[in-house]
Amino acid sequence: QVHLHESGPGLVKPSQTLSLTCSVSGASISSGGHYWSWIRQHPGKGLEWIGFSKYIGNPYYNPSLQSRVTISEDTSKNEFSLKLASVTAADTAVYYCVRWAGYGVRGFVDSWGQGTLVTVSS
Amino acid sequence: QSVLTQPPSVSGAPGQRVTISCTGAGSNIGAGYDVHWYQQLPGTAPKLLIYGNTNRPSVVPDRFSASKSGTSASLVITGLQAEDEADYFCQSYDSSLSASVFGGGTTLTVL
Repeated sequence: QVHLHESGPGLVKPSQTLSLTCSVSGASISSGGHYWSWIRQHPGKGLEWIGFSKYIGNPYYNPSLQSRVTISEDTSKNEFSLKLASVTAADTAVYYCVRWAGYGVRGFVDSWGQGTLVTVSS
Repeated sequence: QSVLTQPPSVSGAPGQRVTISCTGAGSNIGAGYDVHWYQQLPGTAPKLLIYGNTNRPSVVPDRFSASKSGTSASLVITGLQAEDEADYFCQSYDSSLSASVFGGGTTLTVL
């Protein structure tokens, strides 16, 4: 049973960089067969896919966020991380780290972290 | 404004059947990309309900089923139970956006 856990600051100031880490247990992020990804949920329900840590060898990001997002892996710690630069209030959301299955970006999420609320405010 | 359109809310009495629609376009559902469904109970993370249009993980009761036709998909819940009260989301891939996209979510109320 894979388990994912998000950690990081719950409050970020506008224009700064949001940084979160996802610790994975019960599966190896380097073993292949799955993709490791971030999704966020804005207040009031909407879900938004942010990107993959690795897809066909490289990170793959939602084009709407691509200019501000970096997702990286630390295979020695079995962790992957999210950095979102130049945040605004619109980036306030619950951030989930997830395991993605199926046909790459056309696939689906089969495991979710518990989520962590990040608020952007001065 | 979500790329996939769902009704904001649906309701039904215990034991009844409800249907939640997910309407897309030619660049997503209509292009043949798979639709997946998630259930989000209050205060928890979403959980996979249906994948690949019609497939149910083994832990999901067979009261839950789904289908896809043209540019739309539907989730059907039969024998409604109080524990089914939750938000439900559809998800697919959109080729014009080059991104995986979600519906805005539907809140199911069990009367």
